[in-house]
Amino acid sequence: EVQLVESGGGLVQPGGSLRLSCAASGFTFSSYSMNWVRQAPGKGLEWVSYISSSSSTIYYADSVKGRFTISRDNAKNSLYLQMNSLRDEDTAVYYCARDSWRSSGLFDYWGQGTLVTVSS
Amino acid sequence: DIQMTQSPSSLSASVGDRVTITCQASQDISNYLNWYQQKPGKAPKLLIYDASNLETGVPSRFSGSGSGTDFTFTISSLQPEDIATYYCQQYDNLPIFTFGPGTKVDIK
Repeated sequence: EVQLVESGGGLVQPGGSLRLSCAASGFTFSSYSMNWVRQAPGKGLEWVSYISSSSSTIYYADSVKGRFTISRDNAKNSLYLQMNSLRDEDTAVYYCARDSWRSSGLFDYWGQGTLVTVSS
Repeated sequence: DIQMTQSPSSLSASVGDRVTITCQASQDISNYLNWYQQKPGKAPKLLIYDASNLETGVPSRFSGSGSGTDFTFTISSLQPEDIATYYCQQYDNLPIFTFGPGTKVDIK
């Protein structure tokens, strides 16, 4: 069974940093591209970042470019999101989502999410 | 960037009703359009990919159609467990993946 379990969320002050993790199991993690998608309280879904299976290709939404860094450790079956210079508007539930084997941008499995709250 | 719109933003229907949601892209995205279901407090779930293909395990009462800029998502017979918010999402415009604003579906 495919499982994605996020962790690392919490309360952080504006300008602060946080590192999210996503532990994957039930599939060959090193064969799949991965993504982070977020959802502000009461709002819709916003794609944040993409990383290819070998980490050779990385994309970011304009809203986080230069502040967030996506990475992965295939030996540990883990995906990460380093978030720096956090702003109030980064407050959201952050989901890791697996790309389907069919195509990038087709998110076939999601974790349960971890809440990041940016507030003073 | 490609913008996605959905209508209606919310709807209320009776059990057994046919429910239709539309999604429009600001430019041609061929059939690179997916539909997700998100129940309250839960993660999104993929229902339809490439505009009209049913994801494995998803009930056949869900369907999708369309291409280019105009797409439709249909629940043929609304069930109580279908209460959720439904999102369309384009993946034609790599590397930006854009979601629609969502349609909240309630039981009347």
